[in-house]
Amino acid sequence: EIVLTQSPATLSLSPGETATLSCRASRTVNSYLAWYQQKPGQAPRLLIYDASTRATGIPARFSGSGSGTDFTLTISSLEPEDFAVYYCQQRSNWPPFTFGQGTKLEIK
Amino acid sequence: QVLLQESGPGLVKPSETLSLTCNVSGDSISTTNYYWGWIRQTPGMGLEWIATLHHTGNTFYNPSLKSRVTTSVDTSKNLFSLTLTSLTAADTALYFCARHTGLRYFDSWGQGTLVTVSS
Repeated sequence: EIVLTQSPATLSLSPGETATLSCRASRTVNSYLAWYQQKPGQAPRLLIYDASTRATGIPARFSGSGSGTDFTLTISSLEPEDFAVYYCQQRSNWPPFTFGQGTKLEIK
Repeated sequence: QVLLQESGPGLVKPSETLSLTCNVSGDSISTTNYYWGWIRQTPGMGLEWIATLHHTGNTFYNPSLKSRVTTSVDTSKNLFSLTLTSLTAADTALYFCARHTGLRYFDSWGQGTLVTVSS
């Protein structure tokens, strides 16, 4: 089973700043990694898939990069609605499909 | 726009069986490239994939849960279901259904249904 480790666990930033979130896989997942955003009381929402492709309707301030075992989600010019929990997920080696434990992006 | 809505009992006793249903609207559950998944979320385990199924009956399970999980699909009602047996407190979670397009990523989710396992 591929384990995804996200860091940091919590990131405190102010609106307008840039957030950099990390996801590291226990072995290569090629580029088969996605990022999700989850707000309180809501389901996760797909943001980025295949490491760097934005899902439909996702603003350009969200970008993904990486391949192999190290991936980054970058959110530039943070908006108030961006403060949430972010998860990564791999589809390279399954079953099972696995998720990271999440990074909470909170307002500083 | 596809909408998914989970339904289930809310409270189930230990050792009993959980049955959940996901009603799909706005799209056909029989679309060739669409698969349909179940994921649960707990504070301790985070997001955990349970199973994914296709309307043809092809199903994929998380090995850690496979012995207790059964899925089904009803194309006439455009819904799919999950059954989880031998429940324990560890199965207490928020259960989501989701569209798992092309067995790649989960691109549409239901709002989730909270299941508590307690006597």
